[in-house]
Amino acid sequence: GAGVSQSPSNKVTEKGKDVELRCDPISGHTALYWYRQSLGQGLEFLIYFQGNSAPDKSGLPSDRFSAERTGGSVSTLTIQRTQQEDSAVYLCASSFGGASYTQYFGPGTRLTVL
Amino acid sequence: GQQVMQIPQYQHVQEGEDFTTYCNSSTTLSNIQWYKQRPGGHPVFLIQLVKSGEVKKQKRLTFQFGEAKKNSSLHITATQTTDVGTYFCAGNYGGSQGNLIFGKGTKLSVKP
Repeated sequence: GAGVSQSPSNKVTEKGKDVELRCDPISGHTALYWYRQSLGQGLEFLIYFQGNSAPDKSGLPSDRFSAERTGGSVSTLTIQRTQQEDSAVYLCASSFGGASYTQYFGPGTRLTVL
Repeated sequence: GQQVMQIPQYQHVQEGEDFTTYCNSSTTLSNIQWYKQRPGGHPVFLIQLVKSGEVKKQKRLTFQFGEAKKNSSLHITATQTTDVGTYFCAGNYGGSQGNLIFGKGTKLSVKP
């Protein structure tokens, strides 16, 4: 079956521009997570959606970052007024529920801010 | 906030040597998961440990969950070049809900 997909796979943008990153979770998965991974570093939690509950936004680093999940499926992570320090790989993961369930990761979007 | 500490950050071994990475939490975990990320890839689930003192094996990999459910380890026997990658532990503090808190990972390199 299809795994988690993310688009684009690579995004190069200029400082100050807005970007949108998309995540298509595995069908039937109610939980969706966004993480950021800087080069050679660990996974930085950004935001977590679970069903119809209010998302856990506690990991978003600034108000330039926002995310939506429409219809309980596809999610979009938006970064406004991008900065060079936003350059990283943005990973999306989905699961059947909360933290007791396996997270399935997408291939990531590599964002480069010039 | 809650943190999962993982050590070492890097480990370089000769092929055939053993390797261990450790995760520690200051508070009790509901469960812990382990993931492997190959160079250039994304994290892939390896295993979940739930019970106090649990030990699980996958071929050359042995996973342990401490009696107090505050620490865990992954041990690889006789490493191979295919073991190269970064190993992450991820702790759950909140039962069936909530987030996994990922450790910073241990990057393993294996010299043939």
